[in-house]
Amino acid sequence: RKEVEQDPGPFNVPEGATVAFNCTYSNSASQSFFWYRQDCRKEPKLLMSVYSSGNEDGRFTAQLNRASQYISLLIRDSKLSDSATYLCAVNPGGYNKLIFGAGTRLAVHP
Amino acid sequence: DGGITQSPKYLFRKEGQNVTLSCEQNLNHDAMYWYRQDPGQGLRLIYYSQIVNDFQKGDIAEGYSVSREKKESFPLTVTSAQKNPTAFYLCASSREAGMPSTDTQYFGPGTRLTVL
Repeated sequence: RKEVEQDPGPFNVPEGATVAFNCTYSNSASQSFFWYRQDCRKEPKLLMSVYSSGNEDGRFTAQLNRASQYISLLIRDSKLSDSATYLCAVNPGGYNKLIFGAGTRLAVHP
Repeated sequence: DGGITQSPKYLFRKEGQNVTLSCEQNLNHDAMYWYRQDPGQGLRLIYYSQIVNDFQKGDIAEGYSVSREKKESFPLTVTSAQKNPTAFYLCASSREAGMPSTDTQYFGPGTRLTVL
């Protein structure tokens, strides 16, 4: 089993839709969790950090479920500009070695 | 302007040549990292450094080398021993290592290396 797993998608949704991605992790000692957005051929950019049960920033909500060992990202009222790959990253503890999932691709269409 | 810079943006190398990728940050971050990304895959850690003059191997260090002589600089050398070096290389930094709330990693724009 991979340390961090994501559904690769693609998720094809119309503008205005609500979409959710999950990311599961295998190490129960993991302490920090992150969602990054990566546009085609660009670097990942931090979207949200999740240190406790959840975090909300405008249309984006991240939640952490420690019991089931997953984090989720909810995007409400999808925009065309939300089209990108969303990477989940987990710090398994100790030194800051982030483990990345392979990413989930989102395509928002008119 | 604060941030992380990487150069060059594109790099072409002949087989058997060593190349060095530059990474500089002016964020005063202690920790720096090198990742490799292949198409359709997540990022894989090559090397990381918690502090000046110290660095550790990541998950795929074979065929790579690094140095950390200055806090702001963490160059990566891709040696001829790296069997499949064509990839997108990303440098990142974080304020502190291993401390929740200060361990967020920020990325440079990347270097795309192609071996001819």
